[in-house]
Amino acid sequence: AQRVTQPEKLLSVFKGAPVELKCNYSYSGSPELFWYVQYSRQRLQLLLRHISRESIKGFTADLNKGETSFHLKKPFAQEEDSAMYYCALTPGEGAQKLVFGQGTRLTINP
Amino acid sequence: DGGITQSPKYLFRKEGQNVTLSCEQNLNHDAMYWYRQDPGQGLRLIYYSQIVNDFQKGDIAEGYSVSREKKESFPLTVTSAQKNPTAFYLCASSLGQGVSSPLHFGNGTRLTVT
Repeated sequence: AQRVTQPEKLLSVFKGAPVELKCNYSYSGSPELFWYVQYSRQRLQLLLRHISRESIKGFTADLNKGETSFHLKKPFAQEEDSAMYYCALTPGEGAQKLVFGQGTRLTINP
Repeated sequence: DGGITQSPKYLFRKEGQNVTLSCEQNLNHDAMYWYRQDPGQGLRLIYYSQIVNDFQKGDIAEGYSVSREKKESFPLTVTSAQKNPTAFYLCASSLGQGVSSPLHFGNGTRLTVT
């Protein structure tokens, strides 16, 4: 069965500091990984996806198949990055049956 | 304004009563989903539908039922058989199948059963 683990429920960093939100997964095949974000009073929305190899709002995430990880990183945190972040996995076949992690609440202190 | 509308925002019911949560989308998306969100557990898939008149069980379908009679609508009924119905429910849609179609979420319905 697929599983996504985000070990940190809460993460607090200072503005301008690097930030890393951890995500580990378990899946025997080749999954597709995503990061979704929910800012205060907004809907849950896609931040970035592994297959696009993109950088969104300064965030990047690298899929490490050896460590089964998909950590989200940003070199210099900004106050507007404060939000709830969810890592998600799909087997990459059929419908978007996303499996979500428990979420990490990121707070950027001024 | 295109998007997904969930109603109502808050819903209160007494134990033993069935309750239906509404989800409507005007994005012309083929696929729709229902997730349940509980503190510390992330989102768990209840049901999903890839096309009109067809739907599949997710990971926690017991005690729930859905219908997909129209492309725009995917209502979720929480039946009295659901043992812990109090939760935050999120509806989502995607343009099609596959990982190229990101999920678009509604604002959610918070259901409280007493």
